[in-house]
Amino acid sequence: EVQLVESGGGLVQPGGSLRLSCAASGFTVSSKYMTWVRQAPGKGLEWVSVIYPGGSTYYADSVKGRFTISRDNSKNTLYLQMNSLRADDTAVYYCARSPSSYHDTSGYYPVAFDIWGQGTMVTVSS
Amino acid sequence: QSVLTQPPSVSGAPGQRVTISCTGSSSNIGAGYDVHWYQQLPGTAPKLLMYGNSNRPSGVPDRFSGSKSGTSASLAITGLQPEDEADYYCQSYDSSLSGRVVFGGGTKLTVL
Repeated sequence: EVQLVESGGGLVQPGGSLRLSCAASGFTVSSKYMTWVRQAPGKGLEWVSVIYPGGSTYYADSVKGRFTISRDNSKNTLYLQMNSLRADDTAVYYCARSPSSYHDTSGYYPVAFDIWGQGTMVTVSS
Repeated sequence: QSVLTQPPSVSGAPGQRVTISCTGSSSNIGAGYDVHWYQQLPGTAPKLLMYGNSNRPSGVPDRFSGSKSGTSASLAITGLQPEDEADYYCQSYDSSLSGRVVFGGGTKLTVL
């Protein structure tokens, strides 16, 4: 069965760090476009970061320089290292898979996200 | 504010037809990028509902349909059912943004 399972969320103080994990089964993380999307309490979805099969990474401006997306191919797991956390980072964090990509003159970008994890809650508060 | 604009809420009675709009600009939907739609039932993760403007993944009823024109896209639901009550999000891409992925602000569908 193809699925994603997130873990690592919790309560952290402002300025602190946290690492989220997203364990995949039924497919290989390194061959897909893997992304993190977050949802603040009562709010909509916000794209956070993506890692391409080739290793390229991109970030939303709101997390650039503070968050790092990575993967461990041997564990078939996606990660999100979150540093310098702020109150407005409080959200449920979802990992999601995009099975392939579009391509245009500007490069590649992921198609729709067809598999989502159940989410993990991150609360930044003192 | 989201790059893609959706109405905060829509409602309809069982059996009726409702539409949810997703309005963008020349740097996203108007630039020719595809639009995808996700359904989020209360307390659950989003689920892909429509991809590539008008394509339904396996298992999605044909009561759901999608379209795109110019700088906007729409999701239509016919024969509304109580289990359709959920939040709906459009997603596309914006050439001016790193990573390009953008979501609409979401629309709460209430089945009266």
